[in-house]
Amino acid sequence: SQELEQSPQSLIVQEGKNLTINCTSSKTLYGLYWYKQKYGEGLIFLMMLQKGGEEKSHEKITAKLDEKKQQSSLHITASQPSHAGIYLCGADTNAGKSTFGDGTTLTVKP
Amino acid sequence: GAVVSQHPSRVICKSGTSVKIECRSLDFQATTMFWYRQFPKQSLMLMATSNEGSKATYEQGVEKDKFLINHASLTLSTLTVTSAHPEDSSFYICSASRLKASYGYTFGSGTRLTVV
Repeated sequence: SQELEQSPQSLIVQEGKNLTINCTSSKTLYGLYWYKQKYGEGLIFLMMLQKGGEEKSHEKITAKLDEKKQQSSLHITASQPSHAGIYLCGADTNAGKSTFGDGTTLTVKP
Repeated sequence: GAVVSQHPSRVICKSGTSVKIECRSLDFQATTMFWYRQFPKQSLMLMATSNEGSKATYEQGVEKDKFLINHASLTLSTLTVTSAHPEDSSFYICSASRLKASYGYTFGSGTRLTVV
């Protein structure tokens, strides 16, 4: 089965600092999604990556998928308190379902 | 953009009662919806896949008689937690697959269930 491993599990950064969250798959990824969630609230779709080497950016968040399509990173530049939350990576399985990493809890200290 | 409306957002019920959670796709047709459960500070766990007009497919370990799923139309799926117990207290969230894969899956806002 497809398993996604996220690291780090939690992250505390000072406002203005950059940070990176990683998502590693045991199998080749055919669709990798990044979501943001505050616990008890719905998930917010951030980005989807499909091609090896693909990179997408939205405001201060950049996501990359490596050439082998087994690892993705989410990079936040000049973090702000509004970036705080749980970041989840998700992937499509060949069964047409989604599987998720365990999430990374991000705290941004003002 | 596509919206999935989930209702209620919070519900408290007594042990032994049943609770129904609705998930509606507001501006698109969702032939497939997914129901997840999330415990505090843990990732989403897929419970079942809901297909319009057919029986839901449950993941291993999920009791289908306890978590009844109905997907009667292309815009509505419901999850009913029957004879709820305190251990069923959790955050339940639905998602719907869209035609455009680039948008990923659209998620509902979730339902916080507390069984007392």
